[in-house]
Amino acid sequence: DGGITQSPKYLFRKEGQNVTLSCEQNLNHDAMYWYRQDPGQGLRLIYYSQIVNDFQKGDIAEGYSVSREKKESFPLTVTSAQKNPTAFYLCASSIPHRGSNQPQHFGDGTRLSIL
Amino acid sequence: KQEVTQIPAALSVPEGENLVLNCSFTDSAIYNLQWFRQDPGKGLTSLLLIQSSQREQTSGRLNASLDKSSGRSTLYIAASQPGDSATYLCAPGGVTGGGNKLTFGTGTQLKVEL
Repeated sequence: DGGITQSPKYLFRKEGQNVTLSCEQNLNHDAMYWYRQDPGQGLRLIYYSQIVNDFQKGDIAEGYSVSREKKESFPLTVTSAQKNPTAFYLCASSIPHRGSNQPQHFGDGTRLSIL
Repeated sequence: KQEVTQIPAALSVPEGENLVLNCSFTDSAIYNLQWFRQDPGKGLTSLLLIQSSQREQTSGRLNASLDKSSGRSTLYIAASQPGDSATYLCAPGGVTGGGNKLTFGTGTQLKVEL
């Protein structure tokens, strides 16, 4: 079955600690995205990548970092500089726009909490 | 900056009713608009994608319309069922970095009762 796998489902971070959220897709999509969801707010874009070894900041990139070394993987690191990391994190992928319209497909999310 | 508003924020209806969810957006320079469904504690499931050149899109009991010039989209659900209970999100896709940058509304939480 093709899809997007996010792990872990739940993650706890101690003060001053960096944590990495995993996102893997087997849909052969070039584009991948990370969103953050907070109660009462819409999803907000953290980072996105349209191709391997390239990524761009979204609306709320401060305190986060990403890498895109493989087409199928787009890990997100929440650094200690992110002062309010408690949220639900969602990864998505799609065929890049390039003149066509393709839907984004989402994983089941990782819930990050502070200890 | 694109802003997306969804009305109502919450809706409770008896099973079998037809219902309409509303979405408005401030920047009409979009490539497409997607409607998603989100179940509690889960990711998003894509329901419909309307291209900016289209007026509507249908999938089963769902019909989405788009009026790009007025910045509005509606999702029509026919003959609602308890399994339709979820939060529905709309997301116009803007022209940034390849055209797939979505801006999300806060959603309409739907409950369909027996």
